[in-house]
Amino acid sequence: GQQVMQIPQYQHVQEGEDFTTYCNSSTTLSNIQWYKQRPGGHPVFLIQLVKSGEVKKQKRLTFQFGEAKKNSSLHITATQTTDVGTYFCAGMRGSARQLTFGSGTQLTVLP
Amino acid sequence: NAGVMQNPRHLVRRRGQEARLRCSPMKGHSHVYWYRQLPEEGLKFMVYLQKENIIDESGMPKERFSAEFPKEGPSILRIQQVVRGDSAAYFCASSSGTSGYEQYFGPGTRLTVT
Repeated sequence: GQQVMQIPQYQHVQEGEDFTTYCNSSTTLSNIQWYKQRPGGHPVFLIQLVKSGEVKKQKRLTFQFGEAKKNSSLHITATQTTDVGTYFCAGMRGSARQLTFGSGTQLTVLP
Repeated sequence: NAGVMQNPRHLVRRRGQEARLRCSPMKGHSHVYWYRQLPEEGLKFMVYLQKENIIDESGMPKERFSAEFPKEGPSILRIQQVVRGDSAAYFCASSSGTSGYEQYFGPGTRLTVT
């Protein structure tokens, strides 16, 4: 079955440093979505990428979708304590609507 | 702001009892998804429903678990004869089905089986 690998599992950064998390799928994806989950909270939708090579920005967050539509990354510039949480990628394959989630990257930002 | 609603937020059941989890999708959304999250893990897809139809239940355990999304009322995830391994957070998500594929999640139901 489809697998989505995500690294690193944990990341500790000093406030102001950059952060990147990477996702790799075993199969080509129709789209990839990114979510943020705070401790004890629920996944909150951040963005969806559909096109090969697509790059989208949301303030300090930059999302990329690989040319082969099998990998993706999320980069945060100059992290802030409000960025703390677990970031998940989730891929959709073909016309199927179910999301296959990566295992998440838990970000800790030290003040 | 009528987001995805789930209840109860916390549910404690003894082994062998039944658990019923409810989900009301976001207004205007007709697609509902259930996911399970074990502690410190990612979310695992369970089932995808539209009104009165199960579209994809490939992630649902074959026994004890069932889901429905009736014409009227919320979607229900039902777990019969719960076991300790069923303890997890169960999240419901919804999408519009007409524009985009993004899914919006509810606050989840934390099920604890004692």
